[in-house]
Amino acid sequence: KAGVTQTPRYLIKTRGQQVTLSCSPISGHRSVSWYQQTPGQGLQFLFEYFSETQRNKGNFPGRFSGRQFSNSRSEMNVSTLELGDSALYLCASSLEPSGANVLTFGAGSRLTVL
Amino acid sequence: GQNIDQPTEMTATEGAIVQINCTYQTSGFNGLFWYQQHAGEAPTFLSYNVLDGLEEKGRFSSFLSRSKGYSYLLLKELQMKDSASYLCAVRDSDGGFKTIFGAGTRLFVKA
Repeated sequence: KAGVTQTPRYLIKTRGQQVTLSCSPISGHRSVSWYQQTPGQGLQFLFEYFSETQRNKGNFPGRFSGRQFSNSRSEMNVSTLELGDSALYLCASSLEPSGANVLTFGAGSRLTVL
Repeated sequence: GQNIDQPTEMTATEGAIVQINCTYQTSGFNGLFWYQQHAGEAPTFLSYNVLDGLEEKGRFSSFLSRSKGYSYLLLKELQMKDSASYLCAVRDSDGGFKTIFGAGTRLFVKA
């Protein structure tokens, strides 16, 4: 079956712009999590969605937002981009939040902010 | 809050055994995971522990002690392809479920 699909894979933006990243989970997976990965910080938790509801949110400013649709696909948006937002954004899906919540990651969207 | 600590880098020799340690602090523990991440690739699942003890899966084993907030990943018969980052992650239910990752341990396997 198809894995987790993230689009776009690479993008370049300038400071002040906004960006929307998309994530299609594995078929049947209803939970989607987003992470920011940078060389110095590792994977930082952004948010987790289940059944179109944000179940938890990490310590990121309000410029970072997301949503989940009825087909479990998810999007995240970053507004008023800053240089420090340059990172790899990873999406991961799992069956549901409880139990052995094994995450399957997409290949990521690499964002460069100039 | 949550905190996960693991060594930044380790080096080992092909064919040897290496143990990567992880200590954690969390309010609502719901399981500990190990993921492997090769350079330029996404993390992939290796192991899951929710009860104390050792879980063995081929060349990889993972141990958990909940009372000590401690886990380790044991890699046996190291191969060059095991050179990667190993991420310790904790499933936390405090304030709603989330999986928190440590910064990762970069393992270099040399011939």
